[in-house]
Amino acid sequence: DTGVSQNPRHKITKRGQNVTFRCDPISEHNRLYWYRQTLGQGPEFLTYFQNEAQLEKSRLLSDRFSAERPKGSFSTLEIQRTEQGDSAMYLCASTTSGGNNEQFFGPGTRLTVL
Amino acid sequence: AQKVTQAQTEISVVEKEDVTLDCVYETRDTTYYLFWYKQPPSGELVFLIRRNSFDEQNEISGRYSWNFQKSTSSFNFTITASQVVDSAVYFCALSEALRAAGNKLTFGGGTRVLVKP
Repeated sequence: DTGVSQNPRHKITKRGQNVTFRCDPISEHNRLYWYRQTLGQGPEFLTYFQNEAQLEKSRLLSDRFSAERPKGSFSTLEIQRTEQGDSAMYLCASTTSGGNNEQFFGPGTRLTVL
Repeated sequence: AQKVTQAQTEISVVEKEDVTLDCVYETRDTTYYLFWYKQPPSGELVFLIRRNSFDEQNEISGRYSWNFQKSTSSFNFTITASQVVDSAVYFCALSEALRAAGNKLTFGGGTRVLVKP
């Protein structure tokens, strides 16, 4: 399967714990995006990488959130001191640069904070 | 700031009926791109179409068709002769072309389509 993959698919955690999600983009895609989708809503942009550089962050991304993309390949999204309001689906997408090409989405990681 | 509005939250039809999904957008840019994505019950967003702001030609792809009207800032989507497999949430999205970085997508709230047999 050469699509975008995300792990884990589901994560249940207790409030206050830290969690980390991983995204593996399509191999030739140098742009990688993280979005968050809450129930009944459309996805909302969180952050964006061009290769290993994090070039844009949404104001939704509080200081408890951090994302990395070492070596410009896979990316991780960490949430520290989780809160119940962090419960959502976290989606990763990738695309090639050089235009507004369509983004290819992974299956998402569903986070439930108890 | 850019904004996408999908006023219809849910549409229910009987199989073989046509269904039209409305999408209205706001942007200050003169160059932008519009997208439609499908999110089936499995959850993964599936790309359907991309249009740029300079191409107002309507498009047909099988049972899908799109009507882009710049004058009304609308990019509507029609499914002809709907099938049960079309049941999903459909999202309209906007990307501004001249941003320095990102080309992030701004999504509407989605329209849930339920096709009954």
